[in-house]
Amino acid sequence: KQEVTQIPAALSVPEGENLVLNCSFTDSAIYNLQWFRQDPGKGLTSLLLIQSSQREQTSGRLNASLDKSSGRSTLYIAASQPGDSATYLCAVSKPDNAGNMLTFGGGTRLMVKP
Amino acid sequence: DGGITQSPKYLFRKEGQNVTLSCEQNLNHDAMYWYRQDPGQGLRLIYYSQIVNDFQKGDIAEGYSVSREKKESFPLTVTSAQKNPTAFYLCASSTLGALTDTQYFGPGTRLTVL
Repeated sequence: KQEVTQIPAALSVPEGENLVLNCSFTDSAIYNLQWFRQDPGKGLTSLLLIQSSQREQTSGRLNASLDKSSGRSTLYIAASQPGDSATYLCAVSKPDNAGNMLTFGGGTRLMVKP
Repeated sequence: DGGITQSPKYLFRKEGQNVTLSCEQNLNHDAMYWYRQDPGQGLRLIYYSQIVNDFQKGDIAEGYSVSREKKESFPLTVTSAQKNPTAFYLCASSTLGALTDTQYFGPGTRLTVL
């Protein structure tokens, strides 16, 4: 059974700092890995999707990498801002008939202090 | 304005009652999903549906029921058999079989048992 772990569970940094969030998964047979953002009491917003054949994806100040063989992904946030404060969740897709089934990690709660 | 709507935003239930959470999407997606999120944790799959009049159990289906009579709608009923229903419930939808596509999430319903 696929298990997804995110470290750290919580992180507090001063504004402007570059930071890395980690995600690991136990079964390397995935179709893709996604990073989501969740604001308190809200739904999830997709940030980046990395296909299993890709190594990284970038969007603005965000860069996500994927090492499928070692079961690891990192989300790099450059020049963090208070508006980046949220919970970040990674999820991997299961290779089953539904094609887009996701297994989620527990999330990293990020606080960026002004 | 395309998207997923969930209602109500907050729901209170007395013990022994069944309650139904609404989820509607106008994205023309074939697949729809229900997740449960407990404080500080990731999402766990309750039920999913790939086509009208068909649905499958997820990892934690006990005490829940669903229906899919229309493509746009996927209501979730939390029955009295669910022993610990207090949680944040998220509905999502996606295309089917598009392995590079993401799931789109609604804003969530917070259910509290009194």
